[in-house]
Amino acid sequence: GNSVTQMEGPVTLSEEAFLTINCTYTATGYPSLFWYVQYPGEGLQLLLKATKADDKGSNKGFEATYRKETTSFHLEKGSVQVSDSAVYFCALSLSSASKIIFGSGTRLSIRP
Amino acid sequence: DGGITQSPKYLFRKEGQNVTLSCEQNLNHDAMYWYRQDPGQGLRLIYYSQIVNDFQKGDIAEGYSVSREKKESFPLTVTSAQKNPTAFYLCASSMDPTSGGPTDTQYFGPGTRLTVL
Repeated sequence: GNSVTQMEGPVTLSEEAFLTINCTYTATGYPSLFWYVQYPGEGLQLLLKATKADDKGSNKGFEATYRKETTSFHLEKGSVQVSDSAVYFCALSLSSASKIIFGSGTRLSIRP
Repeated sequence: DGGITQSPKYLFRKEGQNVTLSCEQNLNHDAMYWYRQDPGQGLRLIYYSQIVNDFQKGDIAEGYSVSREKKESFPLTVTSAQKNPTAFYLCASSMDPTSGGPTDTQYFGPGTRLTVL
C-alpha cells in the first residue's frame, strides 16, 4: 500500500546547526510530495511541495528534493533558528486516492 | 483574506453528549477533510467530502458524523458513541483532490481542541 516513513523524533539541535529530517515513501504511481509544519497548538501549514521527480521545493530556507530513484523527500535547512522548533510532517498525495497520506511527524527542538 | 476557520478553539463536553465542530472555508475549494490528532501522534482521517452532498468515511469514522450541505461548510459531530473523543481536531480543504497536480494541496484550519470532562 501507499505509506510515508519519516525519522522519529525528537530531534534536538543547537541554533545555526544543519538540519536533515529523513522521509521515504511507498506509492503506486507518481505522487505529489509535501512537507507540512505544525507549531504548538496550531493547525498544519504547508512548508513546501514537489509534484514530479527531481523537483526541488523550497521555502523559508528549507529545501527538499523529490528523488524517485530512492523514493525519498528529505527536508534540509542549512542553519536552523529557535523559531523553527515545531513538528514536521512529510506527506504524499495520489490523484487516484483523493486524500493525503501523512507520516507520523518529527518533533524538532532548537536550543539557543 | 481567504482561509479556513474552525470554531470554537476549545470545547468541553460532558460524557454522553453530542457536540458539533464547525469548519468553514472561503477558498472555493471542492474537497474538505476532518482529521483527529492525539498528543504526540500523527493525523488520522475521520471523514472527507469531494463534493456537496457527498462524503466518505476515512480510517476512523466510528462515533462521528458529518454533513456537506454547502460547499463552504463541513461540520463534524462527535457523538456519544465515540469512546475516547478527547483530541485535537483539524479541518482541511483542497481544490481538486484528483488532479494530481498543484491543486491537490490541502490547507488546514487552526484546529479545535475537544476535552471530555
